[in-house]
Amino acid sequence: NAGVTQTPKFQVLKTGQSMTLQCAQDMNHEYMSWYRQDPGMGLRLIHYSVGAGITDQGEVPNGYNVSRSTTEDFPLRLLSAAPSQTSVYFCASRSPPSPGDGYTFGSGTRLTVV
Amino acid sequence: ILNVEQSPQSLHVQEGDSTNFTCSFPSSNFYALHWYRWETAKSPEALFVMTLNGDEKKKGRISATLNTKEGYSYLYIKGSQPEDSATYLCAFQGGSEKLVFGKGTKLTVNP
Repeated sequence: NAGVTQTPKFQVLKTGQSMTLQCAQDMNHEYMSWYRQDPGMGLRLIHYSVGAGITDQGEVPNGYNVSRSTTEDFPLRLLSAAPSQTSVYFCASRSPPSPGDGYTFGSGTRLTVV
Repeated sequence: ILNVEQSPQSLHVQEGDSTNFTCSFPSSNFYALHWYRWETAKSPEALFVMTLNGDEKKKGRISATLNTKEGYSYLYIKGSQPEDSATYLCAFQGGSEKLVFGKGTKLTVNP
């Protein structure tokens, strides 16, 4: 029972570097989302997907790209990291129909950009 | 920008106390209201997803009510235990998969 798996758990990047945060789920969930958690803020939606090949922007999409080539995987790409992207990132998934039973969250990736 | 407000921001209660907190959200374009429990060093865990005005859901000692006409939901914990200590998040869903989360209510239950 792996659920939602995020890798890596911790990462330090230099400004301008790129990287991909990985998210995989083994529950055959159609819907997947990426959130960031910053001090004093609620979880904020970056991008989401309602199925393979379908993605859309959330509240704070700038600086991030996503793709959904399979049901299981939903990677988040930082193209040119900036200190403002220092945050804890959570991936979440759930099954339709909406709204269902709520989202299952991964354990998070703590990213620091220096 | 949608505004989802949770109050109080934090709460300290004694073991055995019952407590409640509030989530306020836009009353227009409502589809669902989610509640999550988030323990320190863990991930948010879904408690309830509520859709109907007047709906009430219960899981053990935790229950929630929903008023979509006035835009609020209450979360109640009966007989709080130290293991209930966590941050409780609500999230507004307005018809797509875009959830808007509140900042949470941090509950500390003292033994």
